Amino acid sequence: DTAVSQTPKYLVTQMGNDKSIKCEQNLGHDTMYWYKQDSKKFLKIMFSYNNKELIINETVPNRFSPKSPDKAHLNLHINSLELGDSAVYFCASSHPWTGTDTQYFGPGTRLTVL
Amino acid sequence: RKEVEQDPGPFNVPEGATVAFNCTYSNSASQSFFWYRQDCRKEPKLLMSVYSSGNEDGRFTAQLNRASQYISLLIRDSKLSDSATYLCVVTRGDIPTFGRGTSLIVHP
Repeated sequence: DTAVSQTPKYLVTQMGNDKSIKCEQNLGHDTMYWYKQDSKKFLKIMFSYNNKELIINETVPNRFSPKSPDKAHLNLHINSLELGDSAVYFCASSHPWTGTDTQYFGPGTRLTVL
Repeated sequence: RKEVEQDPGPFNVPEGATVAFNCTYSNSASQSFFWYRQDCRKEPKLLMSVYSSGNEDGRFTAQLNRASQYISLLIRDSKLSDSATYLCVVTRGDIPTFGRGTSLIVHP
């Protein structure tokens, strides 16, 4: 009955590889997000989707491509991984149209690029 | 100037102490304000929303000062379990911006 789930929890891979992280929420929320938390613990928004449509695309390399097959899922595909991509990636969801913008986070995916 | 700024700490306090954190934000059009808590190697979780009138939840009190563009969090009677990083979040429209967090360590 997990509200926001992500897979995998840990991902260790070589530079240059392509990898995907999956996210699913069962809260019925319209908006989903991807965040990156680097080694300095700074949590930065990368993308936001509302009802499968991209509404925020912060300055991230175009090697990162989000895909939302439906409003309950937002996956993140990363091409040509680089050392600097090592971080914890959090998926989150919210339902801002009710007037409460509470973000519900997934457990995170710890990506290590070797 | 960063959009949301917090003192990273750490704040090292004994059990039972009262501790306060501040957070400043630069965009006067910001609409919603929150404090989140993040435990080590875990995801952030909502602690409380912050309103202009102030709000209290048990030992936690949050205040918003729109004129000076800062929010605060007061923790009374600190417990060991309060040790965590406290993240200030400011939202404008659909865009939430997180501060880098303030680390709190409560010791016996």
